[in-house]
Amino acid sequence: DADVTQTPRNRITKTGKRIMLECSQTKGHDRMYWYRQDPGLGLRLIYYSFDVKDINKGEISDGYSVSRQAQAKFSLSLESAIPNQTALYFCATSGPGNSGYGYTFGSGTRLTVV
Amino acid sequence: AQKVTQAQTEISVVEKEDVTLDCVYETRDTTYYLFWYKQPPSGELVFLIRRNSFDEQNEISGRYSWNFQKSTSSFNFTITASQVVDSAVYFCALNVPSSNTGKLIFGQGTTLQVKP
Repeated sequence: DADVTQTPRNRITKTGKRIMLECSQTKGHDRMYWYRQDPGLGLRLIYYSFDVKDINKGEISDGYSVSRQAQAKFSLSLESAIPNQTALYFCATSGPGNSGYGYTFGSGTRLTVV
Repeated sequence: AQKVTQAQTEISVVEKEDVTLDCVYETRDTTYYLFWYKQPPSGELVFLIRRNSFDEQNEISGRYSWNFQKSTSSFNFTITASQVVDSAVYFCALNVPSSNTGKLIFGQGTTLQVKP
């Protein structure tokens, strides 16, 4: 099994629908992240969490919310999807400290909002 | 401000050519970490290297090599004798521990196409 599992892998949804992207990890790490990838922009941080009670906004959190249900689970929600949220979404986890040690990405969720 | 710039949007080479992907970073911190990732057409991110700011030694791993120069704030990646399987998007990224976010700051990515 993958260290970081994202579901679904692909999703097409309609404008205005609520959608949840799920992420689970088996690395035992406390730190988890959600990134969004757009062509020509690289990956940008949406939200990050250092433990179940510590959730923080990243640089592009508007229109998104997250839930850290357990140490191993971190889900991303789009309350009312819009077409410009069409992107590739990555969940990641990292080891202790702030140095990016042990960064592990999931395989990504390709979301299309029509 | 912290930033990573990959000025080369797309590069096309013929198999067996050497190719260098440029990465320029900006940070005022003296402690930071630099990364390279490969994203093949399947979409996943493959970790290639992590280098800390105190280690300027060049690194070689098979056909891959990395040149870290603090004087020019660059961390360039060279593929020697490129192969079709090297075709991918390559990302350079920066981590600055003092931000207390643990985040990676990514460049825009360089798409490498290796033609047979």
